[in-house]
Amino acid sequence: DAGVTQSPTHLIKTRGQQVTLRCSPKSGHDTVSWYQQALGQGPQFIFQYYEEEERQRGNFPDRFSGHQFPNYSSELNVNALLLGDSALYLCASSFGDRGGYTFGSGTRLTVV
Amino acid sequence: QKEVEQDPGPLSVPEGAIVSLNCTYSNSAFQYFMWYRQYSRKGPELLMYTYSSGNKEDGRFTAQVDKSSKYISLFIRDSQPSDSATYLCAMSLNTGNQFYFGTGTSLTVIP
Repeated sequence: DAGVTQSPTHLIKTRGQQVTLRCSPKSGHDTVSWYQQALGQGPQFIFQYYEEEERQRGNFPDRFSGHQFPNYSSELNVNALLLGDSALYLCASSFGDRGGYTFGSGTRLTVV
Repeated sequence: QKEVEQDPGPLSVPEGAIVSLNCTYSNSAFQYFMWYRQYSRKGPELLMYTYSSGNKEDGRFTAQVDKSSKYISLFIRDSQPSDSATYLCAMSLNTGNQFYFGTGTSLTVIP
């Protein structure tokens, strides 16, 4: 049973560049949420996608954008990267409004 | 003030000990409470998911929610070295809503 799959696992980018992270939800799940986890901190909610629409958004600037595809997979895009964007980016999936996300292993983004 | 407060530890206990992990929160509207375990370089793994106040037990794990005190706890009985990880509490207003996480408590169980 495939869980949540994220790619790439690690990424190094230069300040000012743009990055795209990808997520395939667990089989049977239709809702994807993205979280940012800085070192030593708990995950912070970025946004959630359901039926290809952004349903909720956390307190992140517009540089963070996303997309959900008809097959429920999702992308997180970050423009104009800052050093402070260095973090573990986690994708979590769920089915509809049922709680208890399943998380992927994350993408470790380093901005230099 | 943060929505969710959690002592980061680190917490170190001998194998077989009972571990108590705690979180406090400020928003009385939270209804759903979760505990996640996160191993190094991995994503969080759901351990317990509870609604409103009360206790929930699953094997060696017991989750308690006291909404009147805005306080939740996770107890681990007969702790094992494999329990060594960071434990994150999380809560949400409604099912399907965003989760608010604590900073996590680092636990080491010494053989």
